[in-house]
Amino acid sequence: GAVVSQHPSRVICKSGTSVKIECRSLDFQATTMFWYRQFPKQSLMLMATSNEGSKATYEQGVEKDKFLINHASLTLSTLTVTSAHPEDSSFYICSARVRGGYGYTFGSGTRLTVV
Amino acid sequence: GQQVMQIPQYQHVQEGEDFTTYCNSSTTLSNIQWYKQRPGGHPVFLIQLVKSGEVKKQKRLTFQFGEAKKNSSLHITATQTTDVGTYFCAGYSGTYKYIFGTGTRLKVLA
Repeated sequence: GAVVSQHPSRVICKSGTSVKIECRSLDFQATTMFWYRQFPKQSLMLMATSNEGSKATYEQGVEKDKFLINHASLTLSTLTVTSAHPEDSSFYICSARVRGGYGYTFGSGTRLTVV
Repeated sequence: GQQVMQIPQYQHVQEGEDFTTYCNSSTTLSNIQWYKQRPGGHPVFLIQLVKSGEVKKQKRLTFQFGEAKKNSSLHITATQTTDVGTYFCAGYSGTYKYIFGTGTRLKVLA
């Protein structure tokens, strides 16, 4: 089946540094990838929709300059958390859909801890 | 904006008991999907419902889509410890994105 590979799975960084998270669709082309944020024991909140070759669409309240999204190819989308602060600590997860398929395939998620 | 609520928020059941989670949308949905997220894991797609009043079954799981396409339910018969996790519905209303419900966390006591 469709697989989305997400790296890193865990990252601890110092406050003020930037962290890049990668999501790769391994056996299909993902023209659109969705980025979510999930706080402990809460739902998935959509942050942005990345589209291959164009600018990402951010949800209301999500700072585009802080959460940089790049979707340079049909198989790779990246989320960079810039100048991270402790309040950015969360579980970040991406998802994509196989064209013509049902349901979204999620990456395994990245647990970001900013100290 | 569109909101998707689920009840209950938590449910603890004895193994062998049945379990139901309900999903309610503030707007009419084109379709609804259900996902399961195991503790520490990522959401895994279970099923998609499209038609008004649709009922689908997957072994011990029964999914329903309401007649008005604003609500849905997931029923698990005779729960097992492997059913532990959080169940999310995700509603699509034609805005090129799915809105996830608040989730129901299921614990099954052996």
